[in-house]
Order: sequence, then C-alpha cells, then structure tokens
Amino acid sequence: IQMTQSPSTLSASVGDRVTITCRASQSITSSLAWYQQKLGNAPKLLIYRESTLESGVPSRFSGSGSGTEFSLTISSLQPDDFATYYCQQYHIFSTFGQGTKVEIK
Amino acid sequence: EVHLVESGGGLVQPGRSLRLSCITSGITSGDDAMSWVRQAPGRGLEWVGFIRNKAYGGTTDYAASVRGRFTISRDESKSIAYLQMNSLKADDTAVYYCTRCRDSTCYYVSWGQGTLVTVSS
Repeated sequence: IQMTQSPSTLSASVGDRVTITCRASQSITSSLAWYQQKLGNAPKLLIYRESTLESGVPSRFSGSGSGTEFSLTISSLQPDDFATYYCQQYHIFSTFGQGTKVEIK
Repeated sequence: EVHLVESGGGLVQPGRSLRLSCITSGITSGDDAMSWVRQAPGRGLEWVGFIRNKAYGGTTDYAASVRGRFTISRDESKSIAYLQMNSLKADDTAVYYCTRCRDSTCYYVSWGQGTLVTVSS
C-alpha cells in the first residue's frame, strides 16, 4: 500500500489553521496514524485509528477521513507545532507517507 | 513509564553484518508487537519489519527491501528485541528506531532514541 502525503512543505504562522492530507493507494479502512517529528528526535504518536487522539496530545490536533483519504488538522498552530508530520497506514503491514514539514512563514 | 533503548549501531562495511538490540522497560515483554523503523539521513520513515506478540505466535514480517537479509527476534526473559542485519548495503544507512506497537496493532506508541548505522567502505 502506498501513502501519498501533501503538501511536502507548508509555511504558516502561529494561530493559523493547517491541514495535511494523506491518500492511500487502496482502502485502509480507519487504520491510519499520524506522527510528529522534531529535528533530531524520534517521532511521537499524535493520532491513531484515523481520529483517536493519543493520551497527552493537545486537542488542537484532530484527524478525519476513512477509506483512502485522510487529513490531519491543527486548529491553531502553536510555536511548538513547527515540525515534520507523517501519516502511517497499518492496515496491511506498515507504510509511511513522505512527510510534511510545517515551517514558520 | 515505558522506555526503549537501542544499541549496536556503528560503521560497517558493505556485505558485513550487524546486530541491533532494543532493551525495553516498563512493559511486560511479549504482550505487545515490536517493530523496527528506519530513517535514512534527511529522508522519511521506512518500516523495516515487526515481530508479533505472544498471542499471535511471535511471528515476523519484513519490508521487501530487507526480506531475506534482516531478522527480528526477541528474548522475553531479558526484555530485549533484536534486529540482525546481514549482507548490508549502502542503502541500509539510516537511524534505526525500535518501536512498540499497541497490543497486536502496529501503530507505534513508544519509540527508542534511535541508533545510527552507517554502511560504507
């Protein structure tokens, strides 16, 4: 299963609402997770099962979609949110999207 | 609190072997599937393979890029997972992360800090 993530880079300001999309090459039902990775650190799980927020993750993060189209939304971008985000399907083994770097505008 | 600590990375020549270890603490070994994920310098994340939990027989599966060369195993008595890497290639150069799945479902709830493997002559 291939995962196509877009955009590859996103320039935004603090307070902006941002959305990252991920498309699967075939249906993965709701077996979709999102991760945040900051430079030099391991990724951190944000969302699993397409829309379930991992414990401790701020509520400004949300996920939606099903089947082949998914999105991660940050409702009001905070300084701590500038990072790279990856989607991952775990319906059949595992595949990651290419990543989206969220940078300061 | 769950901790995963990888070790064993380093510089290795093409064609040689290397074994990575992942010591886990704060969890009951064998209850959760474990996976290895790698990240080449400046690149994205790539799933390497995983070992299922005890309930699913502890079987393994691998990405096509490493199948036949890499082997994942675990010693539940020591709470250690291993990644045996044989016939290494330059393309295997990456930071290797040990990850813990939630039960048998492999999204990654815990990550180690990663260990760098460099394959070069």
